[in-house]
Amino acid sequence: GIQVEQSPPDLILQEGANSTLRCNFSDSVNNLQWFHQNPWGQLINLFYIPSGTKQNGRLSATTVATERYSLLYISSSQTTDSGVYFCADTSGTYKYIFGTGTRLKVLA
Amino acid sequence: DVKVTQSSRYLVKRTGEKVFLECVQDMDHENMFWYRQDPGLGLRLIYFSYDVKMKEKGDIPEGYSVSREKKERFSLILESASTNQTSMYLCASSSTYSNEKLFFGSGTQLSVL
Repeated sequence: GIQVEQSPPDLILQEGANSTLRCNFSDSVNNLQWFHQNPWGQLINLFYIPSGTKQNGRLSATTVATERYSLLYISSSQTTDSGVYFCADTSGTYKYIFGTGTRLKVLA
Repeated sequence: DVKVTQSSRYLVKRTGEKVFLECVQDMDHENMFWYRQDPGLGLRLIYFSYDVKMKEKGDIPEGYSVSREKKERFSLILESASTNQTSMYLCASSSTYSNEKLFFGSGTQLSVL
């Protein structure tokens, strides 16, 4: 089945800095999504992005399906951006496979 | 907005007890999922359902069963709870017909003593 690798595993930033998180896939991209898990454990869907680029405020994401990777950009980071960021894609019709996550800590 | 509601935020049970975790979604989604999340192991799929009364095993179904009698409700059952089932349990739902974006509930932290 599909393998999902995320990098970096950990990231520490000063408030206001920008960052790029990466997700690599071993197989073709189908229903790629990015999630943020806040410190209370809630997983929030940030983007559904099987291809192309999307932006939502300070966050944007780009997926290059032909090269099997996706990038999540966080600009002007804030302490509320702290948490774990996951990417996931489907293997088969319904089964989502998650990466191991990037743990982000934004310092005030 | 889609709302996925899990019945309990924290749950403490004894070894051998039968445990029910309930999940309800309000967006008429066809697909529902149960994951468990453990430190260092990420999110692992236990079971999923793509229609009422339909279920498929995920990666770690042993020791669990599920029930989907109504479209909006998906229950996870631990037939005889064991300490290695102490974990965070996350329910999710998605639509088959509308970009399949996955939405999660707030999770149930289960401790089995």
